[in-house]
Amino acid sequence: AQSVSQHNHHVILSEAASLELGCNYSYGGTVNLFWYVQYPGQHLQLLLKYFSGDPLVKGIKGFEAEFIKSKFSFNLRKPSVQWSDTAEYFCAVNEGLTGGGNKLTFGTGTQLKVEL
Amino acid sequence: NAGVTQTPKFRVLKTGQSMTLLCAQDMNHEYMYWYRQDPGMGLRLIHYSVGEGTTAKGEVPDGYNVSRLKKQNFLLGLESAAPSQTSVYFCASSYLVPPTGELFFGEGSRLTVL
Repeated sequence: AQSVSQHNHHVILSEAASLELGCNYSYGGTVNLFWYVQYPGQHLQLLLKYFSGDPLVKGIKGFEAEFIKSKFSFNLRKPSVQWSDTAEYFCAVNEGLTGGGNKLTFGTGTQLKVEL
Repeated sequence: NAGVTQTPKFRVLKTGQSMTLLCAQDMNHEYMYWYRQDPGMGLRLIHYSVGEGTTAKGEVPDGYNVSRLKKQNFLLGLESAAPSQTSVYFCASSYLVPPTGELFFGEGSRLTVL
C-alpha cells in the first residue's frame, strides 16, 4: 500500500515569506499526485495535480509543485504567502481501486498559519 | 451548484446508538467515497462505491456500513457507535472516465460519540 509523508505538521510564516511544504510518497510506479487545501471550516479543495509531462505544476492562487521522481517527492511552493493562505494542506497520491475508481492516499497534513 | 452535500453537519451520539450520514452529489459522478479525518492521521478511506448498487471496503471499514441505492446518494451507517468513531467524516465523489483522480469533497460531518 501507498504511504505519503508530510514532514512539517505545523508551519508559521509571516506574510510575504516564501513557502515550501515537503511531501514524499512510497510508490515506485506511475503516480498521480495532488495537493489539496482545507481552509478553516471548509471542505477540501484541489490546489493542483500532476499526471504526466512537465514536472513543475502550477495551481490556483499562485501555488506550484515540483515532481521529482528520483526523490519520490512532490513539494508544494509559493513565493510569497498571504494571510488568506492560512489553511491545512494535504498531499495525496492516487493508487487506483479494484474495479475502478480513485483511491487517494493522503498525508497527515500540514497546518499553515500566516501572520500579518 | 451544490456539488457534494452532507447531512447532518454535526451530531452527538451516545455509545451504542446508531445513525446514518447522507451524502448527495449532483454531478452525475459514478464513484463515491467516505473518508474519516482524525488529527495527525490525515484522511482514511472507510468505504467506497464504483456505481449504483455497489460498495466496497476501504482502509478502515470496521464498525461502518454503506449503501448506494441511488447513483446520487451514498449513505454511511454506524450501527452501534463507539467513542473511537468520533471524527470528521467527508464524503467525496469522482468521475468514471477519465480516471483523473480528482475527488470533489463535501463540507464534512463532525460526529462526537460520548
